Amino acid sequence: EAGVAQSPRYKIIEKRQSVAFWCNPISGHATLYWYQQILGQGPKLLIQFQNNGVVDDSQLPKDRFSAERLKGVDSTLKIQPAKLEDSAVYLCASSFGDQVQQFFGPGTRLTVL
Amino acid sequence: QKEVEQNSGPLSVPEGAIASLNCTYSDRGSQSFFWYRQYSGKSPELIMSIYSNGDKEDGRFTAQLNKASQYVSLLIRDSQPSDSATYLCAVNSGTYKYIFGTGTRLKVLA
Repeated sequence: EAGVAQSPRYKIIEKRQSVAFWCNPISGHATLYWYQQILGQGPKLLIQFQNNGVVDDSQLPKDRFSAERLKGVDSTLKIQPAKLEDSAVYLCASSFGDQVQQFFGPGTRLTVL
Repeated sequence: QKEVEQNSGPLSVPEGAIASLNCTYSDRGSQSFFWYRQYSGKSPELIMSIYSNGDKEDGRFTAQLNKASQYVSLLIRDSQPSDSATYLCAVNSGTYKYIFGTGTRLKVLA
């Protein structure tokens, strides 16, 4: 079974530029999560989708971050404009449902200069 | 008070010893509890899940849950250098509310 796919794996941008990350979850997983993990910290949930609907985006900085999950499958997370403090690893995870194990992708390491 | 708390460590144990990792949570309504292992530069991967009070064993790993005291722990028996990683506690405290702790860094000394 293929795992969660993410791209790109690494991205370096200047502050105020925009960037987009892509995630393809495990086939059949209805729930998709985007996390931000700053070095030395645990993953922080940015947004959670159930199929193509948002069920939690309370910690998403909506003035600069946006995410969508069209057709309930793959998803994109965008940052525009980026700030220095956005430097982090962005993890995508998926699960079959709620309150069960999450499967994580390899992550995208973002560096904002 | 943080919703899920862990001691950041590092917790250092000699090879072959038992490593004990602890996690406390604030929401009494929490139903599902998970331990993930994260190697440096890698993504988290599930070690154990536990849903009811008591112990759950899987190989060298034992998860313990005490809902009355609001803590969950992970014991690693016969610790190996390959167990050196950050261990993340995750708590699901309701529909669509999944929270990670900051993780405990474990070092197993050969």
